[in-house]
Amino acid sequence: GQSLEQPSEVTAVEGAIVQINCTYQTSGFYGLSWYQQHDGGAPTFLSYNALDGLEETGRFSSFLSRSDSYGYLLLQELQMKDSASYFCAENFNKFYFGSGTKLNVKP
Amino acid sequence: DTGVSQNPRHKITKRGQNVTFRCDPISEHNRLYWYRQTLGQGPEFLTYFQNEAQLEKSRLLSDRFSAERPKGSFSTLEIQRTEQGDSAMYLCASSLMSLSTGELFFGEGSRLTVL
Repeated sequence: GQSLEQPSEVTAVEGAIVQINCTYQTSGFYGLSWYQQHDGGAPTFLSYNALDGLEETGRFSSFLSRSDSYGYLLLQELQMKDSASYFCAENFNKFYFGSGTKLNVKP
Repeated sequence: DTGVSQNPRHKITKRGQNVTFRCDPISEHNRLYWYRQTLGQGPEFLTYFQNEAQLEKSRLLSDRFSAERPKGSFSTLEIQRTEQGDSAMYLCASSLMSLSTGELFFGEGSRLTVL
């Protein structure tokens, strides 16, 4: 399988900005996706980078640098409802997911 | 709601029994994926279809697992002679053939408990 590394857990306060990193070892993928999953729920799509650079979608942005084998998800103006697990995933026509980062948002 | 539908949502079975899960994708989606997820881990790729053709199956997947998508619409995932290690959430996802948006649409999953 593929190997994507993410921090296992991140804690931040409401209103803050948090960055969740994703490093990978395998190249040649079509792009890097980000998904959110609440406890007991299904993964839902957040953002996708086919090219290097920053993609902005509302409070969420994602970044990819293929030369650095690195991407991140940036969450701004954190809200309590953002407490969830976040996964990066490589697109090889099927997707390989990282083990996820659990985000805890505190008041 | 015309999202991805999976059933049953929960299945408890005894070791050695066979189980089958069904997935109904979004109707216009020609790609369908099966994933397995255990607590604290990301979804693990099992297999995927383009229309009725099974394009790839994970090399890590036991031959006790088989999936079909006979008419290019719904899919079934069968696990034969279940083992306790098969206990997991089985997720189905669908997408258009062009993955230019990088988006998979997931169902709510079928949770399997093997006693």
